[in-house]
Amino acid sequence: DVKVTQSSRYLVKRTGEKVFLECVQDMDHENMFWYRQDPGLGLRLIYFSYDVKMKEKGDIPEGYSVSREKKERFSLILESASTNQTSMYLCASSLSSPREETQYFGPGTRLLVL
Amino acid sequence: DAKTTQPPSMDCAEGRAANLPCNHSTISGNEYVYWYRQIHSQGPQYIIHGLKNNETNEMASLIITEDRKSSTLILPHATLRDTAVYYCIVNNAGNMLTFGGGTRLMVKP
Repeated sequence: DVKVTQSSRYLVKRTGEKVFLECVQDMDHENMFWYRQDPGLGLRLIYFSYDVKMKEKGDIPEGYSVSREKKERFSLILESASTNQTSMYLCASSLSSPREETQYFGPGTRLLVL
Repeated sequence: DAKTTQPPSMDCAEGRAANLPCNHSTISGNEYVYWYRQIHSQGPQYIIHGLKNNETNEMASLIITEDRKSSTLILPHATLRDTAVYYCIVNNAGNMLTFGGGTRLMVKP
């Protein structure tokens, strides 16, 4: 079974703090993704990575950065947390394929910024 | 990605089959149909996917019409733990998943 784990299920931070969200997958997947999920807005892609040290902006990258130093680990960084970054953050991974890519998700991190 | 249309909510009696429909009339030839579900406060869980043929795994069956414009996810014996929001997505490699509103399935005792 594919396993995607996220470092925290719940996190409370203060405005202006630097926040690190870690994601690890154990299936040797090339692709990793960070989404946020908000009521009424569905899942929105923040950043993704197709390989180590590679990153691509998604639909809403502002206020975020990412790091992929090892294949199995993809980190999301909030340089200076703001209240509008309160959300559910979801990490996913997938195997590269020319035809279809099933994404497997972690359990999510619910972040509250005060 | 093609847009999908799903009913916003459905009820199902425990132990009965749950049939969740999805319309994807603008699907293109190389797009797969994926189903995920999300139980409250958890990450989306992959269920099944298919291209043209019907598919079955330990969780569910996927029936895709011959013209590929619609599909049905079947949970053969729904349990209370199957209560979740079910998302139907059409996608191909290299594109990002787009989750719509989904169907909120309530399994009742």
